[in-house]
Amino acid sequence: SQELEQSPQSLIVQEGKNLTINCTSSKTLYGLYWYKQKYGEGLIFLMMLQKGGEEKSHEKITAKLDEKKQQSSLHITASQPSHAGIYLCGADDNYGQNFVFGPGTRLSVLP
Amino acid sequence: NAGVMQNPRHLVRRRGQEARLRCSPMKGHSHVYWYRQLPEEGLKFMVYLQKENIIDESGMPKERFSAEFPKEGPSILRIQQVVRGDSAAYFCASSFQPPFSPLHFGNGTRLTVT
Repeated sequence: SQELEQSPQSLIVQEGKNLTINCTSSKTLYGLYWYKQKYGEGLIFLMMLQKGGEEKSHEKITAKLDEKKQQSSLHITASQPSHAGIYLCGADDNYGQNFVFGPGTRLSVLP
Repeated sequence: NAGVMQNPRHLVRRRGQEARLRCSPMKGHSHVYWYRQLPEEGLKFMVYLQKENIIDESGMPKERFSAEFPKEGPSILRIQQVVRGDSAAYFCASSFQPPFSPLHFGNGTRLTVT
């Protein structure tokens, strides 16, 4: 079955700094999803990537899927305290089953 | 708000009792997923259902746990004879038509077994 790893496990940055979170898959990614979870709440969908080399942006968050479709990165520019939370990558297989998640990266942004 | 609705938000049960967790998917979604999250741990897949069918239950413990998604009404995750180790947050998600369809999550049910 597909497994996702994330790095770093946790991250503390000063407000205004840029940061990158990585997600690596044990198999080819057909659909890669980024989510954010705040403490005590459900996951909020951020972006979906499908094609090798694809890049998407929403406000100050940019996600990329590498050409080989086994790694994705999430980049936050000029971080703010509102960006704090746990970021998880998720992936499904080509059949829409077996939707799995990485262990998450806990982000803290210091004002 | 047509988001995924889970209830109750918090559920306290004594050991040996039954827990029933409900999930109403987003309007138009017929695919439901249940996940369990332990404190400081990631999301673990439990079961994937489509209306009236269990598609994949490979993540669900073989005993005491069951799930259904009837033709009418919410999806139900049922835990019989709960034990302390069942204490966790249980999240439900729904999607429109996999593959390549994002999962949308509810706010979870926090089960505490005393």
